This record gives sequence, structure tokens and C-alpha cells, in this order.
Amino acid sequence: NAGVTQTPKFQVLKTGQSMTLQCAQDMNHEYMSWYRQDPGMGLRLIHYSVGAGITDQGEVPNGYNVSRSTTEDFPLRLLSAAPSQTSVYFCASRPTGTNYGYTFGSGTRLTVV
Amino acid sequence: AQSVTQLDSHVSVSEGTPVLLRCNYSSSYSPSLFWYVQHPNKGLQLLLKYTSAATLVKGINGFEAEFKKSETSFHLTKPSAHMSDAAEYFCVVSVTSGTYKYIFGTGTRLKVLA
Repeated sequence: NAGVTQTPKFQVLKTGQSMTLQCAQDMNHEYMSWYRQDPGMGLRLIHYSVGAGITDQGEVPNGYNVSRSTTEDFPLRLLSAAPSQTSVYFCASRPTGTNYGYTFGSGTRLTVV
Repeated sequence: AQSVTQLDSHVSVSEGTPVLLRCNYSSSYSPSLFWYVQHPNKGLQLLLKYTSAATLVKGINGFEAEFKKSETSFHLTKPSAHMSDAAEYFCVVSVTSGTYKYIFGTGTRLKVLA
């Protein structure tokens, strides 16, 4: 089925470990974003990309890196995990322009101990 | 600056009664506005969107929203709540200047009582 696929669904990390959250979409969307969701705070933008080779920071980028080598894939890297990064992470994609809604992945629940 | 405020963090209704989830926005530009729904442990699903066409927007599952520029509001309504509507709802405004960023509200949790 077409959509946004995120892996893994659950992950537990120790403080200081690094890992990559994977995100892939098969809808040929140019625009992809990573959000984190924390209770009472809605969704906050971490990084986004408007096309292959182009990325930019959102409102909470510290501690995260991204790259966009292909249209389909947009991995999120945690460089040195901290307990403050315990959250649910969502990847989303949409066509370029303001009139389109996002298609969201099912999320990755990350716990840093 | 652009912002979005969901006026109620929790709303409870009885099954079969109307639903009203309130959203106010602030935008220096002509906004695009969206409502998303998130069921427990799921991703977000687009309910409806306003993109400067008709001010009354119909979405999926019987939901609709009305864009009122004079009140800077985009409230979500449904005539009759169903148990399956219990979820969290997010109002979103898009920033039309340059990078097309989306700003999410903090969410309204809807509880439907039998």
C-alpha cells in the first residue's frame, strides 16, 4: 500500500547511544518532515526537506541530523541520545505547496534511559 | 508570527450529540488550515483542509469546519458523535511565506460517552 513507512516502531536506547530512525515514502512527494510529539505540546518540527539533497532545520533540531539522498528516503539520526529525546517521532510527506495535507507514518516510540 | 490555538484540551460529549472543537489562528498571510485526527497509538490522518476556496469545508466521517476570517477561527464540528470519534484532534496552520512550514496546535482530546 502507498504511504509512509517508519521503522522501528519501538526502540529503547541508553544515554549516549546513537541510532537512525528510518522513513520511506512511495508517493513521489518532494516535501518530507520529521516531528516529535510530546504530551501537551502538539507536534514540533525537527527537520524538513523540500527535495533530494535539500534539508533545513525546524524548531527543535538540536541533537538530530538528517540527509535526503533520494526522494523516497529521509532518515533521522540521533547523535548521542539523551533522556530529553524520549518521545514519539513521526515522519510525514506531502507534495510541495501549501494546499496539500501531510501523509503521516505510524510513528516510532523512543525511550532513552 | 503565525500561531494556532486550540481552546480546549479535553472535550466530552455523549454519543449522538453534536461535537464542537475550537481552533483560532494567527497568520500574517492567507492561511491554509487543516484538521487531523489521531487515534490511540496511531499516526495522524487528514480530516479536512481549507485552502481559500469555499469557507465551509466538508471532510471525512461527517466532520466539517468553517473558516471565519473576521473571527480568525476554524472550528471543527460534527452533528452527531459516534463512539469511534474518540481520538485526539489537531488544528494546523500552514505558513505561506517561503518554506511552507506547518504549525500544529496542542491538540484536543475528544471523549465520547455511551
